[in-house]
Amino acid sequence: GESVGLHLPTLSVQEGDNSIINCAYSNSASDYFIWYKQESGKGPQFIIDIRSNMDKRQGQRVTVLLNKTVKHLSLQIAATQPGDSAVYFCAENTQGGSEKLVFGKGTKLTVNP
Amino acid sequence: EPEVTQTPSHQVTQMGQEVILRCVPISNHLYFYWYRQILGQKVEFLVSFYNNEISEKSEIFDDQFSVERPDGSNFTLKIRSTKLEDSAMYFCASSGLTGGSNQPQHFGDGTRLSIL
Repeated sequence: GESVGLHLPTLSVQEGDNSIINCAYSNSASDYFIWYKQESGKGPQFIIDIRSNMDKRQGQRVTVLLNKTVKHLSLQIAATQPGDSAVYFCAENTQGGSEKLVFGKGTKLTVNP
Repeated sequence: EPEVTQTPSHQVTQMGQEVILRCVPISNHLYFYWYRQILGQKVEFLVSFYNNEISEKSEIFDDQFSVERPDGSNFTLKIRSTKLEDSAMYFCASSGLTGGSNQPQHFGDGTRLSIL
């Protein structure tokens, strides 16, 4: 069945370091992936997305890598800042016309000054 | 930057009562969604809505739930007879300037529903 999971529930980094947040997905039919950031008391905030015909996509300070062979997704944040502290979710959308996003459990990123 | 807005931010209701959660999606978006997040758990899909009808719903979205787009701007989720286990954060989302899948969904900040 569909499931999206995360390897680590928490990640702690020093300010200025690069962060890597990982995500494993099990549905090989998924063709669209999104990373969301959720701060306390707020809704999921769109960070970056990637389609299955790509293996890398870059945004401002963020990069998403997709490895379809092992069904793995990662979010890299460069020069992590205290404002990056939040819970990060990956979400997948399965091809076939479904609009439903399936979310992972989330990784809590803590940036230490 | 356009955003999805939800009201109220917190709703406290007695078990068995009806509750209506309100959302104003991003203007000109075509697809609308409700998700929920029980404390400490994953965000779960409830329902998607397109062209004035439900396009997909999850097992959670049973007969106690309904959605409506009463006018050109609002999108509502109604729970007819609330249960204790309905306590959760409810998020509204919208997507699709042009329609179709593989579009980023943009979320509101949610309504915290507490059932007593």
